[in-house]
Parts: sequence; C-alpha cells; structure tokens
Amino acid sequence: GDSVTQMEGPVTLSEEAFLTINCTYTATGYPSLFWYVQYPGEGLQLLLKATKADDKGSNKGFEATYRKETTSFHLEKGSVQVSDSAVYFCALSDRDRDDKIIFGKGTRLHILP
Amino acid sequence: DTGVSQDPRHKITKRGQNVTFRCDPISEHNRLYWYRQTLGQGPEFLTYFQNEAQLEKSRLLSDRFSAERPKGSFSTLEIQRTEQGDSAMYLCASSPRLLSGNTIYFGEGSWLTVV
Repeated sequence: GDSVTQMEGPVTLSEEAFLTINCTYTATGYPSLFWYVQYPGEGLQLLLKATKADDKGSNKGFEATYRKETTSFHLEKGSVQVSDSAVYFCALSDRDRDDKIIFGKGTRLHILP
Repeated sequence: DTGVSQDPRHKITKRGQNVTFRCDPISEHNRLYWYRQTLGQGPEFLTYFQNEAQLEKSRLLSDRFSAERPKGSFSTLEIQRTEQGDSAMYLCASSPRLLSGNTIYFGEGSWLTVV
C-alpha cells in the first residue's frame, strides 16, 4: 500500500543553519504531497503542498519540490530560526483512495539559539 | 470560520470506562476524518465520513470503537471498555472534497489517558 518514509530525528541545528528533511513515498496512483508541522502542544498545521510533478510548494521560507522520478518531497529552508522547532510530518493523499492522508512518522527539529 | 473544534481537549479515564469525543468540522466541509496519534509516531487513519456516510474504517478500529456523524455535521468517536493501549491523541480533520489534493484541516486533538 501507499507509504511515506522520512528521516528519523531528532535533528538539531544552530540558528541560521540550512535545513533539509528527507522524505520519500510509495504510491500506486498519482498522489498529492504535503508537509505538516506540529508545534509543542498544538495540532497539525499544513505547511505546504504540491499536487503534481515538478511543483514546488513554499511557505514561511520552507520549500519542497515534487520529484516524481525519485519519488521524493524533501523539505528545505535556507536559514532556520528557534521558532521553527517542531515536529515535521511528510504526507501524501491519493485521489484514488478518497484523499485519505497517509503520514510519515515525523521528524523532530530542535533549533539552538 | 472557526476551524475544526474538538472536545474535550484532555480526558483521563479509568480502564474499562467508556469515553466519547466530539468533533465539529469547518462548516460546509462534507469530509470528516478521525486519526490517532501516539507519542513519537505520525497520525494513523481510523475512519472517515462523506456527509453522514461512514465510507472506510481502518483495521485499527476495533469493535470497541464506534464513530458517527448523524446529520453530516459534527461527529462523535466513542471508545468502550477503554484499555491502556488506547492512550493517545485523537485527531479530527475535515475537507471540502471539491477537487483532489484538497487541504485537510486538523483540529487540535483530544488527548486520552487511560489509567
């Protein structure tokens, strides 16, 4: 079945460092891809999404490009801030499966001042 | 638009008791989803509704779990005879289901602790 694999955390970086969180997926159909973020004590928030190959989703300085050839959707940010500390989830939804979202296990990010 | 609302936010119950969670989706969203999230894991799909019809149930949803959406608006998730393994955060989400790749909006979750 469909699945999402993302790099294990925790990831610890200093403020202003470059961030990459890897995500790859397996899907039988043509999925839409998402990154969700969960701040401490809060629910899930959509960070960005891409619905077709080569689309780039972006928000709050974060970017991810839908790479069909490598089945990847890596999250990047050029200069992280302490406020970016959170858990990041890569996810997919498949129109052929009624848009049910399937999540990766999450990557915890710690940014040190 | 007030977002997806869940109640209660926190519940502590003794093993063997029944608990019920309520979810109020964003108005006019006809899709409603329930997920479960345990510590250190991503959310796992439990079930979803299209209007009042329950279209899919995960194998994670044992016979002790039941979900309803009687009028196609709010939904309830009931857990009977709770077990310690039921301790988790239960997340509700909704979407308009107009096009594929719709954004699904999550509530802040209901934490359940079974002691």
